[in-house]
Amino acid sequence: EDKVVQSPLSLVVHEGDTVTLNCSYEVTNFRSLLWYKQEKKAPTFLFMLTSSGIEKKSGRLSSILDKKELFSILNITATQTGDSAVYLCAVDGAGSYQLTFGKGTKLSVIP
Amino acid sequence: GAVVSQHPSRVICKSGTSVKIECRSLDFQATTMFWYRQFPKQSLMLMATSNEGSKATYEQGVEKDKFLINHASLTLSTLTVTSAHPEDSSFYICSARDWSVGGNEQFFGPGTRLTVL
Repeated sequence: EDKVVQSPLSLVVHEGDTVTLNCSYEVTNFRSLLWYKQEKKAPTFLFMLTSSGIEKKSGRLSSILDKKELFSILNITATQTGDSAVYLCAVDGAGSYQLTFGKGTKLSVIP
Repeated sequence: GAVVSQHPSRVICKSGTSVKIECRSLDFQATTMFWYRQFPKQSLMLMATSNEGSKATYEQGVEKDKFLINHASLTLSTLTVTSAHPEDSSFYICSARDWSVGGNEQFFGPGTRLTVL
């Protein structure tokens, strides 16, 4: 059974801080790992990672995958209150492109 | 990115009634759509995979007779919660994969919050 573990489960930081969110996984026939940001409604897509060692970047957010150690990190620099959300990691493994989600990391950025 | 819509966004119903939720891919064709359920402070749990023109594939523990899924066209999948009970109250989210893009980037609908009284 595919498994995704995220840590920490929750995190409180001050504006301007840099945070690192972790995602480790066990999956059969790994295809990709995805990061999502969820505020009040459905998740919004951030990154999809398929290859080890290649950093994906979007503004203050970046992510990298290590397929040997089976984990990924999501970095957010110079955090803002608008970054407060639950960040979900999901992996696409065996089967018909189903995603297995981790429990998420709840990030709270305080002014 | 591709857009997925869901309707309704919120529904409140009495116990024993049936509720239909629609999921549409607006600017792409989705041969496969996914239905998730999310309880408060929990992650998304996949309920079923909806395949256009064929029967849905349900995850273990999800009652197929209770959660009816129909994927009649390449842009529409529906989830019907039959004889809803208060324990079915949850946030239901659909997603669709745009195969033309490649990879497994799934686009999520905005979700439907179901409250069963």
